[in-house]
Parts: sequence; C-alpha cells; structure tokens
Amino acid sequence: DAKTTQPPSMDCAEGRAANLPCNHSTISGNEYVYWYRQIHSQGPQYIIHGLKNNETNEMASLIITEDRKSSTLILPHATLRDTAVYYCIVRVVAGGTSYGKLTFGQGTILTVHP
Amino acid sequence: DAGVIQSPRHEVTEMGQEVTLRCKPISGHDYLFWYRQTMMRGLELLIYFNNNVPIDDSGMPEDRFSAKMPNASFSTLKIQPSEPRDSAVYFCASSSTGGAYTGELFFGEGSRLTVL
Repeated sequence: DAKTTQPPSMDCAEGRAANLPCNHSTISGNEYVYWYRQIHSQGPQYIIHGLKNNETNEMASLIITEDRKSSTLILPHATLRDTAVYYCIVRVVAGGTSYGKLTFGQGTILTVHP
Repeated sequence: DAGVIQSPRHEVTEMGQEVTLRCKPISGHDYLFWYRQTMMRGLELLIYFNNNVPIDDSGMPEDRFSAKMPNASFSTLKIQPSEPRDSAVYFCASSSTGGAYTGELFFGEGSRLTVL
C-alpha cells in the first residue's frame, strides 16, 4: 500500500470547518483513499473513502486532487466531539495481494477548541 | 447488531503467563483483523483472516503470538509466554465483502493488556 504523509497536529475552532490534508504521491490507480478517526480510548471509526471523485456523507467531505497525489478531509462544522486522531490511508479495495488490508500511519491529532 | 465484541476489556497479568484475547465479529462479516496499538508504534496490523483462513500473519511479532479462527463467529489471539513489552491495546475488527462493499472496517472497543 502507498505511504501517506499527514501533519502531526492541527487546531480548529468549534463551529468552523476543519480541513485535514494528506499527501499520497505514490498512490496507484487501483488504490482508494480512506479516512478513519480514533477518539481517545476507542477503536478507529470509518469516516469516508474515495477513488478520484469528491465524496460527501453525513460526517465529512473528501476532496481528491485531479492527479490523486493528495486529498483533504473536510469537517464542515467542527464540534468538540470531533477532537480525535485522523488517519488517511490508501489501499487496494478489490484484487491484488493487499485486498482487505488496512495499514495505519501516525495520523493527525485534531484538537477542536471552544 | 451489537458490533464487534472483544473480551476481556482489561487484563493484567504477570510476565510468563498465557494471555488469551477473544473476538466475536459482526454476523455475516467474512474478514477479521487483529491490531495492536502502543504509543511508540501506533496501530499495527498483526494478522487477518478471510472466511476463517489466515491470509497475512506477517505482522505477528514472534512465535509467542498465535491467532485462530475456528468458526465465523469467534477468533482468539494468544500470547504465550507474555512479556512486559506486549502491554498494549489489542483491537479486533471485521468487514464484509458482500453487498455494497465499501471496505469499511468495524472495530471493537479493544482489550487493554498490561503485563507486569
């Protein structure tokens, strides 16, 4: 799986949008971008994923650049409960030897403050 | 659905003792993963199964660690003998390839192991 690079930490004011960047310059054509988050002491939680189109769900939006070498996770209105470690992961979804494998990096610690 | 269920939630043991961690995946899921999390190394994938068969155990640290999945609803991770450096939170996760597969993994709450 391709390696990702994320800033170690970020801050955001409550109610504002949180924009979390991720670089994945060695991503392959069949690799998807996944975002998970881990709130203190809990298991990681899936947020969103995408291949090349921008995606949106009830939790967040995912913006992937046209060359797919980077992406941004957007939490439109951050709350205190969004304080967590956010992981950007690239992985093959179907086919290939790493099917089903999800490898976590160090992630970004997002702190939302009042 | 109750989600992925892990037990015990907390385990404190002495060095040299055998430790068994248990996991019940979400019903119908055909993939099961064991992860370990420490401050120093973050989240590490230890092993994963597909349809009860181990697919990749390259993350298992050494022979003291073993994992089994005797049926679709149960898996164990065993450490024998345990050492202080095995202290960590161990997570189990499951996923499904059926239906609209998104690749989402569902994690349990974890088992916090302390080896004295």
